[in-house]
Amino acid sequence: DVKVTQSSRYLVKRTGEKVFLECVQDMDHENMFWYRQDPGLGLRLIYFSYDVKMKEKGDIPEGYSVSREKKERFSLILESASTNQTSMYLCASRSGTDGEKLFFGSGTQLSVL
Amino acid sequence: GENVEQHPSTLSVQEGDSAVIKCTYSDSASNYFPWYKQELGKGPQLIIDIRSNVGEKKDQRIAVTLNKTAKHFSLHITETQPEDSAVYFCAAVLRNQGGKLIFGQGTELSVKP
Repeated sequence: DVKVTQSSRYLVKRTGEKVFLECVQDMDHENMFWYRQDPGLGLRLIYFSYDVKMKEKGDIPEGYSVSREKKERFSLILESASTNQTSMYLCASRSGTDGEKLFFGSGTQLSVL
Repeated sequence: GENVEQHPSTLSVQEGDSAVIKCTYSDSASNYFPWYKQELGKGPQLIIDIRSNVGEKKDQRIAVTLNKTAKHFSLHITETQPEDSAVYFCAAVLRNQGGKLIFGQGTELSVKP
């Protein structure tokens, strides 16, 4: 089974801190995604990557950046955390060749105080 | 822009009853419609999907129907059980945007024993 691992289940940070959320997948998937999940808003795409060193903005990229130096790892960076970035963050991966099914990690609940 | 509307936001049923969740999409180019189930503390998992060349698909107690003309698709769960309690998300894939998924807002299903 595909495994998508997010480094932290819960994270508490202070306003203005630089925050790194890490995601690792073990199935050699080309595509990786970062979503945030907020009640009543569903899953909103922040950034995605089709392959190593490639990145594309999603629907809500403001305040975030990403890094994909290795195929298995996709990092989400909050350059200067703000309280409105308190949310559940979900990483997902997908085979780029013929796959459409997304495999999700368990999520990181980030609280910015 | 493209969006997916999902209703209802919450649904409570008695064990053994049926549950129906409905979604509407805006992009007529969409041709793949997955449904994800998210249990407490876990990431979403694909439970069933349907492509635009099919009107209905069934997998045991779960079925999905698609009306491409009306841009509606629905999830039907029969003989509900307490373990069906979860948040359900519908999604539509945007073929002309590299397979990007747009998610609905989510439905919190509660099955009362």
